Parts: sequence; structure tokens; C-alpha cells
Amino acid sequence: AQSVTQPDIHITVSEGASLELRCNYSYGATPYLFWYVQSPGQGLQLLLKYFSGDTLVQGIKGFEAEFKRSQSSFNLRKPSVHWSDAAEYFCAVGGGAQKLVFGQGTRLTINP
Amino acid sequence: DADVTQTPRNRITKTGKRIMLECSQTKGHDRMYWYRQDPGLGLRLIYYSFDVKDINKGEISDGYSVSRQAQAKFSLSLESAIPNQTALYFCASQTGEYTGELFFGEGSRLTVL
Repeated sequence: AQSVTQPDIHITVSEGASLELRCNYSYGATPYLFWYVQSPGQGLQLLLKYFSGDTLVQGIKGFEAEFKRSQSSFNLRKPSVHWSDAAEYFCAVGGGAQKLVFGQGTRLTINP
Repeated sequence: DADVTQTPRNRITKTGKRIMLECSQTKGHDRMYWYRQDPGLGLRLIYYSFDVKDINKGEISDGYSVSRQAQAKFSLSLESAIPNQTALYFCASQTGEYTGELFFGEGSRLTVL
């Protein structure tokens, strides 16, 4: 069965610093991979997705993620975070006839 | 107006009461989902529907039921609420593709006393 692990429950970074959120997945075939963001009091919004092609994908709000099949990873990055990036981030995997499975989430705090 | 609307946004109820959470979407999507969010557990799928005549159980369907009244409407019911059903519930819709983006409502926070 497919699964997603986000090793970091909570990360704190300073405004302007770079960010990397980790995501590891388990899936038997070529996965479809997603990152969603949940701002406080809001629903989830898609940041970016990968399902084929270039393994480095660009998303909204200056985020990018890189699919590494050999490491079963799909880490999310941003070169310079802004206070408005404080939120919870979810990685998800699906594919073919499979529904999305979400990770546990990583809560991001930004220090001024 | 939001593409996916959930009502109520907040509800406090007592053990044993019947509760219905409603969801409607204006995206024209066939697929709709109900998720439950608990701290540290991420989102877990309760039920999903790929069209009006198709209803499927997710990983945590016990204690819940759903109704797909129309393409745009998908309701979640707790027939007899219990305290461990206290959670944040999300409805989402999706295009008819597995790579399609999920569009989420803003959530319904349910507290069962």
C-alpha cells in the first residue's frame, strides 16, 4: 500500500532563510506526488504536483520540489521564506487507480 | 464565493446525537471526498464518490455515512456521535483525473462532548 512520511512535525526558520521540507513515499509504481499548504483556519491549497517529465517542478508562491526516484523523496524547497509562508504543509502520493494518501504534515513557523 | 462550501463551520454536540456536515461545490467536478484531520495524523479519507451513483468507503468509514444528493452536493453524517469523532473535517472535489487537483473547503470543526 502507498504511504507518505514527513519526518519533521515542526520546523522553525528565520524570515529570509531557505527552506526544505522533507517527504518520503512508498509506492509500487510511478507515483503522482503533490504538496498542499494549509494556512491557519483555511482549507488546503495545491502548491505543486509531479506526475511525469522534469523532476524539478515549480509551484505557486515561489516553491519548488524535486522528485528523486532513487531516494523515494519529493522534498519541497523555497530559497527565501516570508512570514506569510507560516502554515502547515502536506505531501501526498497517488497514482493510477489509487486515491491520494497524505502525510502527517509539517508545521512551519517563521521567526521575524 | 468559495468553490467548495462546507456547513456548518463549527459545531458542538453531545455524545449520541446525529450530526450532518454538508458540502457543496460549484466546480462541476464529478469526484468528491470527505477527510478527517487530527493533529499529527494528517488527513485520513472517510468516504469518496466518483459520481452520483458511486459511493466508496475510505480508510476510516466506521461510524460515518454519506449521501451524494447531486453532482454538487456530498453530505457526511455521524449517526451517533462519540467524543473520538471530535476533529476537523474537510470536503474536497476533484476533476475526473487522478492527477487532478483537489479543491478543499475551509473545514468543519466538530466537537463531541
